[in-house]
Amino acid sequence: GQNIDQPTEMTATEGAIVQINCTYQTSGFNGLFWYQQHAGEAPTFLSYNVLDGLEEKGRFSSFLSRSKGYSYLLLKELQMKDSASYLCAVREVRNTDKLIFGTGTRLQVFP
Amino acid sequence: GAGVSQSPRYKVTKRGQDVALRCDPISGHVSLYWYRQALGQGPEFLTYFNYEAQQDKSGLPNDRFSAERPEGSISTLTIQRTEQRDSAMYRCASSLAETQYFGPGTRLLVL
Repeated sequence: GQNIDQPTEMTATEGAIVQINCTYQTSGFNGLFWYQQHAGEAPTFLSYNVLDGLEEKGRFSSFLSRSKGYSYLLLKELQMKDSASYLCAVREVRNTDKLIFGTGTRLQVFP
Repeated sequence: GAGVSQSPRYKVTKRGQDVALRCDPISGHVSLYWYRQALGQGPEFLTYFNYEAQQDKSGLPNDRFSAERPEGSISTLTIQRTEQRDSAMYRCASSLAETQYFGPGTRLLVL
């Protein structure tokens, strides 16, 4: 079966660091994606991991451990505009490009 | 450059009516995806195309739902004999490689 778990809500303070975890159990694995979605808007691409390790992109970093079925998104120097939902998604196998999404983590950043 | 566009942005219809939702992908993108997103949830896969070929329709809920992409560009998702449970945000995405870029969605309300 398919199962992607991430916390429902998180809060953090402006300027701080927050880590959003995602665990997955899928029938196959061919990449993990993180998307940001502001309320009422479309999901926007943040990161893609297919190999183990850390991918850094400015204030955002994403980590993957395939053996543990685990990923996290790290947001540094939080800003108010980072308040949004963060969606973890897995692409299962090579012969289909569909993404399986988690329910998303709603992050609220307070001043 | 232009992103993914969808029309209409909002659609209100009466139960039993047919609706057609349109997606115009990013120019040159080979793959096109349809998802449905309920409030507070991640997108749920419906179907996808490579060029004009429908590669995977495993996510279509039942035979009232169909999709086409006859010339490998614009796609239409059709829902026949709509029911209230079909009310949701319908999102389209397109990709050239592994990353999917989402459109603004069509909010469908079935009364």
